[in-house]
Amino acid sequence: SQQGEEDPQALSIQEGENATMNCSYKTSINNLQWYRQNSGRGLVHLILIRSNEREKHSGRLRVTLDTSKKSSSLLITASRAADTASYFCATYYTGGFKTIFGAGTRLFVKA
Amino acid sequence: IAGITQAPTSQILAAGRRMTLRCTQDMRHNAMYWYRQDLGLGLRLIHYSNTAGTTGKGEVPDGYSVSRANTDDFPLTLASAVPSQTSVYFCASSEGITADTQYFGPGTRLTVL
Repeated sequence: SQQGEEDPQALSIQEGENATMNCSYKTSINNLQWYRQNSGRGLVHLILIRSNEREKHSGRLRVTLDTSKKSSSLLITASRAADTASYFCATYYTGGFKTIFGAGTRLFVKA
Repeated sequence: IAGITQAPTSQILAAGRRMTLRCTQDMRHNAMYWYRQDLGLGLRLIHYSNTAGTTGKGEVPDGYSVSRANTDDFPLTLASAVPSQTSVYFCASSEGITADTQYFGPGTRLTVL
C-alpha cells in the first residue's frame, strides 16, 4: 500500500490564486519530499522537509509538516499557468530504505 | 551534464518478448531506482540499487530483473513481457541510499500487446 496519499486528486484554480495540496502518510518518517511532474516528463524535486522541521519555504512554495497528524501541505502562492502539473509527495519512512510516492494531485491553473 | 538518460523513449512490444530498458546517469550517484507509473497509482518502485554490485526488490518486482555492473548503468529487463506491464517506466538516481533527493529520467513508454 502507498505510504503517502495526496488530497485533492485534482485541483483547478485561476491564475493568481493560491493552490494548496495535502499529503497524509501512515508511519513515522525521516523526511517528506514534494515533486512536480509536467505532462509526459519525469519528476522534478521541489522541496524536502525533515521530520524535525515544521515549515520550509522555497520561492513561491511553502511546505508544512505536522508529524502528530502525519500530514504535510504544499502551498503554491500566486499561481501561474506554468504551474499546471501533477504534484507528488514522497515519504522516506523510519526503518525503510526506499522513498514511497503518493498518487499525486493534478493541478490546473487557468490563465 | 545530461543527468539521467533512458532508452528507448517508447516501445511497442508483443507479449512474450524479452525487453531491456536502458538507464544511464553521469552524476556518479550511488543509488538508482526503477519505477513504473500507472494512471491513478502514482509511482511504484520495481527494483533499486544502493551501490554498484547490489540490487534489491521494491514494491512490484515480479516479472522484472535488474543488474548494476557499474555506477552509471542500471538496465531493467522484462524476461517475457505481459500486457499488464504496459506502463511508463522511470529511472531515477540519488547520491546516497537514504532519504536523498531523487533525479528522474524522462521515462520510457512501454506498450505490451
